[in-house]
Amino acid sequence: AQTVTQSQPEMSVQEAETVTLSCTYDTSESDYYLFWYKQPPSRQMILVIRQEAYKQQNATENRFSVNFQKAAKSFSLKISDSQLGDAAMYFCAYRSGGTYKYIFGTGTRLKVLA
Amino acid sequence: NAGVTQTPKFQVLKTGQSMTLQCAQDMNHNSMYWYRQDPGMGLRLIYYSASEGTTDKGEVPNGYNVSRLNKREFSLRLESAAPSQTSVYFCASSEGAGLAGGPYEQYFGPGTRLTVT
Repeated sequence: AQTVTQSQPEMSVQEAETVTLSCTYDTSESDYYLFWYKQPPSRQMILVIRQEAYKQQNATENRFSVNFQKAAKSFSLKISDSQLGDAAMYFCAYRSGGTYKYIFGTGTRLKVLA
Repeated sequence: NAGVTQTPKFQVLKTGQSMTLQCAQDMNHNSMYWYRQDPGMGLRLIYYSASEGTTDKGEVPNGYNVSRLNKREFSLRLESAAPSQTSVYFCASSEGAGLAGGPYEQYFGPGTRLTVT
């Protein structure tokens, strides 16, 4: 069975600095998709970035980028120029290309220090 | 365009009471999901519906039932609530067109905080 592991329950970063959140996953599939979701204190889940496994190029969305290492089954999220509004829980998620089910990690709480 | 809506936002139940959580989406999505979120455990899938007319168990289905009423609506029922079901419940939807699928993201509702005493 596929699993998603986020080994950092909590991280802190100074405003304007860069932080990397880790995510590893276990799968025997070759076709899959990976996602990072943000959950601010409002509780609303928001998609931050997504990556298709067949794409070698790392996805980027403004200040957010990923380091996708397929062989190592690693999918880390880098936040550059951190802002106070980035403070939230961040969840890594996996979906096999052949299923409808998404598997979530346990989350990393990011604190941004002014 | 409201996205995914859930009712109620908060609910307190006594052990043994029943209730139904309602979820609706207006994005014409095929797939809908119910999750529960507990501290330190991330989001765990309770049930999902790949398309109208089908439902399947997720990781933690015991104590819950679901109904995919139509393409828009997917409800979650607790027949006899237990304190272990105290949690935040999220409904989500996704295009999920076909098994081959694509990098479809899930769209989430605002959540329901349920407390069972």
